[in-house]
Amino acid sequence: NAGVTQTPKFQVLKTGQSMTLQCAQDMNHEYMSWYRQDPGMGLRLIHYSVGAGITDQGEVPNGYNVSRSTTEDFPLRLLSAAPSQTSVYFCASRLGLAGASEQFFGPGTRLTVL
Amino acid sequence: ELKVEQNPLFLSMQEGKNYTIYCNYSTTSDRLYWYRQDPGKSLESLFVLLSNGAVKQEGRLMASLDTKARLSTLHITAAVHDLSATYFCAVDMTNTGNQFYFGTGTSLTVIP
Repeated sequence: NAGVTQTPKFQVLKTGQSMTLQCAQDMNHEYMSWYRQDPGMGLRLIHYSVGAGITDQGEVPNGYNVSRSTTEDFPLRLLSAAPSQTSVYFCASRLGLAGASEQFFGPGTRLTVL
Repeated sequence: ELKVEQNPLFLSMQEGKNYTIYCNYSTTSDRLYWYRQDPGKSLESLFVLLSNGAVKQEGRLMASLDTKARLSTLHITAAVHDLSATYFCAVDMTNTGNQFYFGTGTSLTVIP
């Protein structure tokens, strides 16, 4: 299993540009999430999904869109990039909510918005 | 909104010493997790604590959970340089869907 994969690893955008961060998992996990990590602030939840076709907002959703058309994929779209969106983005997945229900994290995407 | 506070934020300790990282959270939670992150890397799961009084140990690290005090600790015994990393606790609020709330992290440096 590849686990949770993310592309690209690095990206530089200009203010106002749009782009999609890709996330895929091959573990048949129902739950997937997107986080951003900023210095001194830990990880903050952007959006999450509890299954194909179902998404919801997290703590910091503004400026981002998500969709979940398949169990495997959960892309994150930046509609009009702003310098405040410069961050490291992590995608994560978990099987469900029973038991230990660990989250597995992807390698991250480092995004810089100029 | 759930708040998760870790302290200290920065910790510099000598090899061979013991220390404890604290994680306080503001409301009832189902589960508590500890993660390790090396610079420029992703998060690695260390422990999952599921109930009051739970204690987990792996090598020089031991985590515990007191749900009544809303407190988890990560104890480091006889630190070695390889433990240098940032440690995060996270609290799981499954009654709100799939919400994980992370602490701000503790940056640990072990000095030879």
